[in-house]
Amino acid sequence: DAGITQSPRHKVTETGTPVTLRCHQTENHRYMYWYRQDPGHGLRLIHYSYGVKDTDKGEVSDGYSVSRSKTEDFLLTLESATSSQTSVYFCAISETRGGAAKNIQYFGAGTRLSVL
Amino acid sequence: AQRVTQPEKLLSVFKGAPVELKCNYSYSGSPELFWYVQYSRQRLQLLLRHISRESIKGFTADLNKGETSFHLKKPFAQEEDSAMYYCALSSSSGSARQLTFGSGTQLTVLP
Repeated sequence: DAGITQSPRHKVTETGTPVTLRCHQTENHRYMYWYRQDPGHGLRLIHYSYGVKDTDKGEVSDGYSVSRSKTEDFLLTLESATSSQTSVYFCAISETRGGAAKNIQYFGAGTRLSVL
Repeated sequence: AQRVTQPEKLLSVFKGAPVELKCNYSYSGSPELFWYVQYSRQRLQLLLRHISRESIKGFTADLNKGETSFHLKKPFAQEEDSAMYYCALSSSSGSARQLTFGSGTQLTVLP
């Protein structure tokens, strides 16, 4: 499982409330990613990180923010959750070669979020 | 911008029959393609990558640059192959790598 843990695994929340999802890794990987999985869309990249305090936007970043204050944790925050953010969220890591990310990504078990 | 298309949302075959899951891509650079699989209640895991040209669990996939395709094939499907399959294309973003996924194909192998 590449030492990736996501928490919580399931969450139900109400529209307008803030939500933070956590991705924790134990193998000191530099590169971490957040995806959302929706029927008919596959997985889409939300944000990614290439080091502590270094993050960038992905394809579907609107309504999401991230933080990485230490190597092992990559947090995804929905500042004010909406029903359209009901989804399954996956964290991933990639190993490093020569300072750059390797192509293969390894995924966490996912967090199922329902926004009512 | 890159794009990955999996035209079949659902695919059912009988056990022992051949199976082919289609994947087409568009990308201006030299593509690096993968197949990921998600079994029921399990995390997404890598099945194949095109540069390794290997067979995993009896599956193979050949990159056809002329047809911009990377179809996944298995000559004799097994019930345990039932899962969601995603085709993905890797591209660079600075030093990071982004995966662009297709919408997935749910394969059901019937007894």
